[in-house]
Amino acid sequence: GENVEQHPSTLSVQEGDSAVIKCTYSDSASNYFPWYKQELGKRPQLIIDIRSNVGEKKDQRIAVTLNKTAKHFSLHITETQPEDSAVYFCAASSMNYGGSQGNLIFGKGTKLSVKP
Amino acid sequence: EAGVAQSPRYKIIEKRQSVAFWCNPISGHATLYWYQQILGQGPKLLIQFQNNGVVDDSQLPKDRFSAERLKGVDSTLKIQPAKLEDSAVYLCASSPSSGGENQYFGPGTRLLVL
Repeated sequence: GENVEQHPSTLSVQEGDSAVIKCTYSDSASNYFPWYKQELGKRPQLIIDIRSNVGEKKDQRIAVTLNKTAKHFSLHITETQPEDSAVYFCAASSMNYGGSQGNLIFGKGTKLSVKP
Repeated sequence: EAGVAQSPRYKIIEKRQSVAFWCNPISGHATLYWYQQILGQGPKLLIQFQNNGVVDDSQLPKDRFSAERLKGVDSTLKIQPAKLEDSAVYLCASSPSSGGENQYFGPGTRLLVL
């Protein structure tokens, strides 16, 4: 089955700097890669996702890149702000419309701290 | 649009007791998931429903966990009897599609087993 590794486990940056979180996956059939942000005591929230037919996707200060050959994908946050402080989870899934697949396998999370 | 609702938000029980969690998904979402999130880890899927049918329960410890989704809307997850290692946050998520994308999570139920 799928296995998702996430690094680093903790990341501390100064406000305004960039942050990069990396994930690798094992199942070459995986074709959907979402990123979730979870603030302390709150629910995970989808912040961006990418499908395997795309190499990069941007949404304001957040971007995700995907390298299918190397089986890794990364989250990039630019101009970080204190409110970006949270735990970020990557996940992988092999979407199979009309079928029974589609379960997300999550990484262990990265605790991002943005210092003012 | 109302989000995924869960209750209770917190529950403390002793080992070997029983507990049940309730989830109301976003209206119109056919797919419902239950996840277990142990402190410091990512969510782990327990069971996936498509309408009122089980799609995947391969990670559900069936000797003590059970779940149902009657009428294809609300769902309940039960643990009987609970063990210390069941202490975790139980998250419910729903999605309009069956492919795993666009999952919206509820606030979770934090369970402590003493």
